[in-house]
Amino acid sequence: GDSVTQMEGPVTLSEEAFLTINCTYTATGYPSLFWYVQYPGEGLQLLLKATKADDKGSNKGFEATYRKETTSFHLEKGSVQVSDSAVYFCALSPYTGGFKTIFGAGTRLFVKA
Amino acid sequence: DTGVSQDPRHKITKRGQNVTFRCDPISEHNRLYWYRQTLGQGPEFLTYFQNEAQLEKSRLLSDRFSAERPKGSFSTLEIQRTEQGDSAMYLCASRPLGQMNTEAFFGQGTRLTVV
Repeated sequence: GDSVTQMEGPVTLSEEAFLTINCTYTATGYPSLFWYVQYPGEGLQLLLKATKADDKGSNKGFEATYRKETTSFHLEKGSVQVSDSAVYFCALSPYTGGFKTIFGAGTRLFVKA
Repeated sequence: DTGVSQDPRHKITKRGQNVTFRCDPISEHNRLYWYRQTLGQGPEFLTYFQNEAQLEKSRLLSDRFSAERPKGSFSTLEIQRTEQGDSAMYLCASRPLGQMNTEAFFGQGTRLTVV
């Protein structure tokens, strides 16, 4: 079945460091891909999305490119801030089966000042 | 506020009791989903409604779990004879029909603690 695998955390970085969180997926067809973020004590928020191959999603300095050939959707940010500390979830939504969202296990990011 | 609303936000119950959670989706969204999230894990799909019809149920949804969406608007998730393993965050999400590239919008969740 469809699934998402993302790098295990926690990831600890200093402020202004470069961030990469790896994400790969398994799916039939061409799903939409998402990154959601969960800040402490808050609900899931969409961070960015990409709906077809080679699309780049971007928001708040974060970027991810839909790579069909490597079935990947890695999250990157050039300079992290303390306020980026959160749990990041890679997810996909196939174009079948009611379009439910399938999540990875999440990667916790800690950014130190 | 026009987002997905869940009630209650927190619920503590004794083992063996029944609990019911409510979800109010975004008003024009036909699709409604329930997920369960345990500590350190991503949300796991439980069930899905299109309007009032429950179209898919995960194997995670045991016989003690039942969900309804009687008028195609709000939904309820009931857990009977709760067990400690039911302790989790229960998330509701909605999305509109016919927009294939749209993401799901999530509520804040109901955190259940079974003692």
